[in-house]
Amino acid sequence: KQEVTQIPAALSVPEGENLVLNCSFTDSAIYNLQWFRQDPGKGLTSLLLIQSSQREQTSGRLNASLDKSSGRSTLYIAASQPGDSATYLCANAGGTSYGKLTFGQGTILTVHP
Amino acid sequence: DTGVSQDPRHKITKRGQNVTFRCDPISEHNRLYWYRQTLGQGPEFLTYFQNEAQLEKSRLLSDRFSAERPKGSFSTLEIQRTEQGDSAMYLCASTRPNTEAFFGQGTRLTVV
Repeated sequence: KQEVTQIPAALSVPEGENLVLNCSFTDSAIYNLQWFRQDPGKGLTSLLLIQSSQREQTSGRLNASLDKSSGRSTLYIAASQPGDSATYLCANAGGTSYGKLTFGQGTILTVHP
Repeated sequence: DTGVSQDPRHKITKRGQNVTFRCDPISEHNRLYWYRQTLGQGPEFLTYFQNEAQLEKSRLLSDRFSAERPKGSFSTLEIQRTEQGDSAMYLCASTRPNTEAFFGQGTRLTVV
């Protein structure tokens, strides 16, 4: 059974800092890995998708990496802003070919001015 | 394209009542998923449709739960005889094969 773990559970940083969120998974046979953002009481917003054949993806201040051999992914946020405050979730599509996602519990990020 | 749409956004119901939620996926997406999320947890998979066919159901989906996707377009999730443990956020997502999943805003269910 695929398990996904996110560390840390919560993170508080001052505005402007660069930060790294970690995601680990137990089954390296994944199809892709996706990072999401969730604001309180809202749905999930897709940030980045990394296919299993890729090592990283970038979008603006966000960079996500994937290392299947070690079962790890990281989300790097550069020059953090208070608007980045949210819960960040990683999820992988593994074990099936139809995109069923297994999620971690999320990292709650607070960026204070 | 307005993304994945869910209705209602919030639902308060008394224990024992039946509730039904609706999800309208992105129009060209043939894959549709339902997830459930409780406070402080990541979403958990409930069920998957490819077009109109329901191809997988989680063990979380007891016999009080039923989902449909007639004609491979919108989907409904019905919970019969609701229990307090059913209180959660119910999320719908859609995708094309091996592309990113897009989620709706969810339906927050509170059973009192």
